[in-house]
Amino acid sequence: QQQVKQSPQSLIVQKGGISIINCAYENTAFDYFPWYQQFPGKGPALLIAIRPDVSEKKEGRFTISFNKSAKQFSLHIMDSQPGDSATYFCAAYSGGSNYKLTFGKGTLLTVNP
Amino acid sequence: DTAVSQTPKYLVTQMGNDKSIKCEQNLGHDTMYWYKQDSKKFLKIMFSYNNKELIINETVPNRFSPKSPDKAHLNLHINSLELGDSAVYFCASSPMGTGHEQYFGPGTRLTVT
Repeated sequence: QQQVKQSPQSLIVQKGGISIINCAYENTAFDYFPWYQQFPGKGPALLIAIRPDVSEKKEGRFTISFNKSAKQFSLHIMDSQPGDSATYFCAAYSGGSNYKLTFGKGTLLTVNP
Repeated sequence: DTAVSQTPKYLVTQMGNDKSIKCEQNLGHDTMYWYKQDSKKFLKIMFSYNNKELIINETVPNRFSPKSPDKAHLNLHINSLELGDSAVYFCASSPMGTGHEQYFGPGTRLTVT
């Protein structure tokens, strides 16, 4: 049972373009929705995170949009750069006594120069 | 100064052998995790420890046994290795109360032949 569904599986964008990755979740008990970025041969690194009571969060060129009623959230990368080429994972976190982070299946982003 | 370190980085071994992967974090975090990333890049939680106490054990075969000698260390021992155990294993840690903000190690690529 996949609790966080991510799309697309892969994405090719031209330099300067907008990259958009979408995720949907089922469990309304999740209380944080982070995005992680992973470069080849490295561990994932936290990029940006949002709480479900906020509709949008922006950090530099990276923006999370959150739609609580639709149980969907997305990552927008503005002015995409070749250095942004990586695998992006959305995730959902359930706190309390669980400490569990559930990941989507990842999106391989390629930004062409 | 590496925040979350793992040893070894690469591990090649034969079926049936027993091996261990070590993890150390110098961030002062209370919670540590083990993840398995398969060939399709899917990240799956295996174990979570909070203050040396097991919190999450995600239907992992009994051949996998985590051990946390102290808050800064979480080791993973694997008995009777199988071909299907080949993957990249990531250790991670997070501060108390912010489990969505996880810091990952560089990973250990395990190849079972």
